[in-house]
Amino acid sequence: GDSVTQMEGPVTLSEEAFLTINCTYTATGYPSLFWYVQYPGEGLQLLLKATKADDKGSNKGFEATYRKETTSFHLEKGSVQVSDSAVYFCALSFYNQGGKLIFGQGTELSVKP
Amino acid sequence: GAVVSQHPSRVICKSGTSVKIECRSLDFQATTMFWYRQFPKQSLMLMATSNEGSKATYEQGVEKDKFLINHASLTLSTLTVTSAHPEDSSFYICSVTGLAVGLETQYFGPGTRLLVL
Repeated sequence: GDSVTQMEGPVTLSEEAFLTINCTYTATGYPSLFWYVQYPGEGLQLLLKATKADDKGSNKGFEATYRKETTSFHLEKGSVQVSDSAVYFCALSFYNQGGKLIFGQGTELSVKP
Repeated sequence: GAVVSQHPSRVICKSGTSVKIECRSLDFQATTMFWYRQFPKQSLMLMATSNEGSKATYEQGVEKDKFLINHASLTLSTLTVTSAHPEDSSFYICSVTGLAVGLETQYFGPGTRLLVL
């Protein structure tokens, strides 16, 4: 079945460090891909998305490129801040499945001053 | 993005009572609403999908008689946890989607933390 795999956390970085959170997927077909962020005690917020191969989603300094050949959607940011500390979820969905999201297990990011 | 609210944000109840959680789409008509459950430090587990005016579709293993979902309008869905037990304690999150935001994108509410004593 369709699935999403993320790198395990927690990831601990110093402020201004470069961030990469790996995400790969298994799917029959071409899903849309998403990154959601969850701050402590809150619901999820859409961070960025890409709907077709080679699309790059970007928001708040975060980027991810839809790589069909490697079935990946890695999240990157050039310089993290303490306020980026949160849990990041990679997810996929298919339009013809009513928008049902399949989530990865989440990666906790902790940024130290 | 769309604005989604949930009420209450936190609730504590006694075992055996029922608890209703509301999910509202504040600024657009939500064709579909989803209900998730999240355990501490874990991912979201989809419980059910509800379309306005239709019966909810429950995921395998989710008891539909225990978790009652009503999607009476395009802006409101409710989840009622009936005869709650301590094992029902969790973080419940709703999300919405609709034609106005592209059916592939979901917008999430802030969540409701339920504690059953």
